[in-house]
Amino acid sequence: NAGVTQTPKFQVLKTGQSMTLQCAQDMNHNSMYWYRQDPGMGLRLIYYSASEGTTDKGEVPNGYNVSRLNKREFSLRLESAAPSQTSVYFCASSEGLASMYEQYFGPGTRLTVT
Amino acid sequence: ELKVEQNPLFLSMQEGKNYTIYCNYSTTSDRLYWYRQDPGKSLESLFVLLSNGAVKQEGRLMASLDTKARLSTLHITAAVHDLSATYFCAVHNTDKLIFGTGTRLQVFP
Repeated sequence: NAGVTQTPKFQVLKTGQSMTLQCAQDMNHNSMYWYRQDPGMGLRLIYYSASEGTTDKGEVPNGYNVSRLNKREFSLRLESAAPSQTSVYFCASSEGLASMYEQYFGPGTRLTVT
Repeated sequence: ELKVEQNPLFLSMQEGKNYTIYCNYSTTSDRLYWYRQDPGKSLESLFVLLSNGAVKQEGRLMASLDTKARLSTLHITAAVHDLSATYFCAVHNTDKLIFGTGTRLQVFP
C-alpha cells in the first residue's frame, strides 16, 4: 500500500497562475483533508471531505477550491495564485471524521508563488 | 474557537538531558495526538491519548494527558541526536484536528 500520495512534490508559480494539487489514498478511507503548513505555525485545515460527494471549509479556505473526484482522490485548486499561498501543502485521509479515526498524512507539496 | 498552544517553540538541549514539551488547549476534547516531523518530511504519528490520566511511552518519549487542566506533556528522557525534529500536538474537536504551533527540538552532543 502506498498510503497517501501527492503530486507534484515541488511547484513554482507566478502570481495569477492556476494549478491543481492532486492527492490519492489507497486505504479505502472515507474522509480526506487538505492542510497548509507555514513556518512557525502548525498545520491549518483548508478544506475537508467527510465522504465522497461532500466538501466543507476549514480554517483557511479563501483562495482555494477542492474536488472530491471519487473515494480515492481529493484535489486542491488555486485559481489565481498569490505569494501568500507560498506554503507546504499536506493531504491526509482517515476512515471517518470522528475522533476515533486517526489521520494519515501524505509527503507534502512545496509550493512557491513569486 | 479551540486554540492549541505549545511551548517552548524551540528547544536546544544537550544529549543525555531531560526536558518536557507542553501542550495547552482551550476547550474540551476527547482525543489528543502527538506527531513528529523531520525536516522536509511528512508527519509521523507518535501517540494517541484518549482519556484523563492517559500515559503512553515509547523509547525515550513519554506523553501524558490531563483533561481537567487541558494539558498534555511530552517528556524526553536522556535525549539523543536522533530525537532532533519538530513535535506537534493536535487536538480533535468537532470533526477536525487543530494543531499546535510545534516545538522544534535540536539535540547536540
